[in-house]
Amino acid sequence: ETGVTQTPRHLVMGMTNKKSLKCEQHLGHNAMYWYKQSAKKPLELMFVYSLEERVENNSVPSRFSPECPNSSHLFLHLHTLQPEDSALYLCASSPGRPANEGKLFFGSGTQLSVL
Amino acid sequence: GESVGLHLPTLSVQEGDNSIINCAYSNSASDYFIWYKQESGKGPQFIIDIRSNMDKRQGQRVTVLLNKTVKHLSLQIAATQPGDSAVYFCAETGLGAQKLVFGQGTRLTINP
Repeated sequence: ETGVTQTPRHLVMGMTNKKSLKCEQHLGHNAMYWYKQSAKKPLELMFVYSLEERVENNSVPSRFSPECPNSSHLFLHLHTLQPEDSALYLCASSPGRPANEGKLFFGSGTQLSVL
Repeated sequence: GESVGLHLPTLSVQEGDNSIINCAYSNSASDYFIWYKQESGKGPQFIIDIRSNMDKRQGQRVTVLLNKTVKHLSLQIAATQPGDSAVYFCAETGLGAQKLVFGQGTRLTINP
């Protein structure tokens, strides 16, 4: 158990659906992240929040919308996704600001399938 | 641009043997390196890290070696066990960088 909890673990959705991924960290960390993990590709950073402020948006399509209501919770709202968006979506947190603290604590991810 | 890559996508070793997983990086400004382990159905888990002012760091059954001259990083796992079967990622970041750059990963299989 890493202290980072993601729900749901698995999600199947149609291209017209709206769904949300949830992440909660119990570590008192100040930074939270969304990563996308596809087969045979390196981990792709999507969004970074530091002290609830978005500090990085890595050219992610607008059909992915993050929300960070407080330092313990992070959401990824999904809308009109494409089949190529099927992947494992990982949430992570770190103690300090992203520039100074590279050690990340990951959740187990949400395996997303878009039909 | 900077990149981090692994020499071999898969590696099989016999239980009890030592394993070495390699990683090359291209950004000479990188000064902090991390190895992660990802087991099936789980997210990556931190194993060990090293800063550029060191060339070797040891943990429990794991050793990370850093060769800045050739921009090479390796992870040595001693006396491998079945639980070591996983995908191993190296990651790097540099002074002033805002994020980690991950390699593609090496799948390590421990044969009984």
